[in-house]
Amino acid sequence: QQQVKQSPQSLIVQKGGISIINCAYENTAFDYFPWYQQFPGKGPALLIAIRPDVSEKKEGRFTISFNKSAKQFSLHIMDSQPGDSATYFCAASGFNYGQNFVFGPGTRLSVLP
Amino acid sequence: GAGVSQSPSNKVTEKGKDVELRCDPISGHTALYWYRQSLGQGLEFLIYFQGNSAPDKSGLPSDRFSAERTGGSVSTLTIQRTQQEDSAVYLCASSLSQGIYGYTFGSGTRLTVV
Repeated sequence: QQQVKQSPQSLIVQKGGISIINCAYENTAFDYFPWYQQFPGKGPALLIAIRPDVSEKKEGRFTISFNKSAKQFSLHIMDSQPGDSATYFCAASGFNYGQNFVFGPGTRLSVLP
Repeated sequence: GAGVSQSPSNKVTEKGKDVELRCDPISGHTALYWYRQSLGQGLEFLIYFQGNSAPDKSGLPSDRFSAERTGGSVSTLTIQRTQQEDSAVYLCASSLSQGIYGYTFGSGTRLTVV
């Protein structure tokens, strides 16, 4: 119940295309869902996050779509750029669940020029 | 400081030696976390500190691992009698409160046990 599943494991997209990464969770106590972006040699950095009271959140080219009934959420990167090439982690946490985030295993995105 | 600072950035040690990894969180952040990231893998939770409360040690993989946080600020992760399987990047993160607002991660310490 504490697991967050993430797919695909790796993704290759042409420049200008749409990158889509999907995550699923089981624990209904989760109520905060962030996405982290990690470049080689760096720690993960918070990219965008959503709470379950909304179905979508958009920040620039990055959009989170959230389906509470299916317990799924996804990250969409529009107009993908080579600079977006990184590893992306979804995560979940809940105020009443515990004090640490549960992370998905990560998706390695490569955007071809 | 402006971000989470970790030192050293790289550490090579011989099997069986003890190592200490340091984390200096963002000033004012009461919550501090340690995670481990093995090559090409996700983030494995190790330990969590919140203010003066007893730490959540539920993620520590063995009794060779321990951590402390002095004065509610700097934290040290200690690995005793290191093994080759301890080789990984050790990431520290801090947050304002109970983590619900998202973490700020340091760049990590890459530990190699030879």
